Amino acid sequence: EVHLVESGGAVVQPGGSLRLSCAASGFTFDDYSMHWVRQAPGKGLEWVSLMIGDGSTAYYADSVKGRFISSRDNIDNSLFLRINSLRPEDTGLYYCAKGSSTSTWLIDHWGQGTLVTVSS
Amino acid sequence: DILMTQSPSSLSASVGDRVTITCRASQGISNSLAWFQQKPGKVPNLLISGASTLQSGVPSRFSGSGSGTEFTLTISSLQPEDVAIYYCQKYNSVPLTFGGGTKVEIK
Repeated sequence: EVHLVESGGAVVQPGGSLRLSCAASGFTFDDYSMHWVRQAPGKGLEWVSLMIGDGSTAYYADSVKGRFISSRDNIDNSLFLRINSLRPEDTGLYYCAKGSSTSTWLIDHWGQGTLVTVSS
Repeated sequence: DILMTQSPSSLSASVGDRVTITCRASQGISNSLAWFQQKPGKVPNLLISGASTLQSGVPSRFSGSGSGTEFTLTISSLQPEDVAIYYCQKYNSVPLTFGGGTKVEIK
């Protein structure tokens, strides 16, 4: 069974940095792309980042490009998101999600999320 | 970038009603369209991929159709457990944009 557990969310001041982690189990981690998706309080879903299975390539939403860096450790089956220059609009629940076997771009499983709050 | 527009943004229907949600892409995306269901306080769940392929375990009252720029999600007979926000998402290329969501409630 696919299991994704995010951690690292915190209350951070504007301009600060944070590193989110996602521990994956129940599947062959390096065979699958991994995503980050966020959801501001009471708002819809926003795709943030996609990292290809071998870690060679990452893609980002325009809203986070240059500030967010995705990485993965295929030995420890972990996905990371480094968030720099945090803004109040980055506040939200950050989900780690697994790509499907049929398409790199399609999400088929979600973690429970970790909450990031940007506030002074 | 391709925009994804869902309508309506919310709806209220009676148990047993047929419910249809529309998702429009600003450019053609072939059939690279997924539907997710997010129940209150829960994590999103993949219902449909490839515009019309029902995922394992999803009740058959859910169906999807469409290709190109216009897509629909239909619930043939609305049940109380279908109360949720439904999101479409394009996945033909990055950015992997979600629609704004449709909130479904019971009348």
